[in-house]
Amino acid sequence: KNQVEQSPQSLIILEGKNCTLQCNYTVSPFSNLRWYKQDTGRGPVSLTIMTFSENTKSNGRYTATLDADTKQSSLHITASQLSDSASYICVVRTDSWGKLQFGAGTQVVVTP
Amino acid sequence: DTEVTQTPKHLVMGMTNKKSLKCEQHMGHRAMYWYKQKAKKPPELMFVYSYEKLSINESVPSRFSPECPNSSLLNLHLHALQPEDSALYLCASSQDRSREHGYTFGSGTRLTVV
Repeated sequence: KNQVEQSPQSLIILEGKNCTLQCNYTVSPFSNLRWYKQDTGRGPVSLTIMTFSENTKSNGRYTATLDADTKQSSLHITASQLSDSASYICVVRTDSWGKLQFGAGTQVVVTP
Repeated sequence: DTEVTQTPKHLVMGMTNKKSLKCEQHMGHRAMYWYKQKAKKPPELMFVYSYEKLSINESVPSRFSPECPNSSLLNLHLHALQPEDSALYLCASSQDRSREHGYTFGSGTRLTVV
C-alpha cells in the first residue's frame, strides 16, 4: 500500500483559475515533504520543501501547506497558466536513511 | 552549476546490445541516485551511491550495472535488457544521504528496448 496518497488523480482547469491538490501520507518517521512538478518525459523539478515545523511555503504562484498532525499537505496553484500543465508529485522523506516515498502524482491540464 | 546532466536524452537499443547511461553533476554532491520511471507512475529507486560507494541496491536485476568512477559521475551500464525495461531513467544527486540539501533530478534518459 502506497504510504503517500494524492488526489485528485487528474484535473482540468481553465487558464487563470486556481486549483488545489491534496497529499495524505502515513510515512513515519517524517523528515520533510516536497512537491515536485514533472513535465512529460522530463525529470521532476522541486517546487517546495517543508519540514515538520513549517506549515506553509510559497514559490511564486505555488503555495504548499503542511499539517504534520493530520499528515496532510496541499499545493495551491494561483492564476494557472498553460505552462502549469504537468504532473505534480508529493514526496515524503523518512528520517531513517532518507528514503523518499513518492505519491502517484496529480496530472493537471490547463486549457485556454 | 546547479544541474544534473544526463546523456543521452533518448536511447533505442536491441535486447543483445550493451549501452551505458551517463549522469554528471558539479555541485559537490556526494550522494547520487538512479531511478526508473514507467509512464504515469512515480519514480522507483534503483541504486544509491554515497561517497562513490554503492550503498543501496533495490534488488535490481544484474542486467543493470551501476558505476561511480568519481564524485561527479554516475554511469548505468545496460546489457541484455528486456522490452519491459523501457522507461525513463532518472539520475538525482544530493549533498549526501543524510543531508538532502539540493536534492536535484536530471532530465532523464528515455530508453526504448526493441
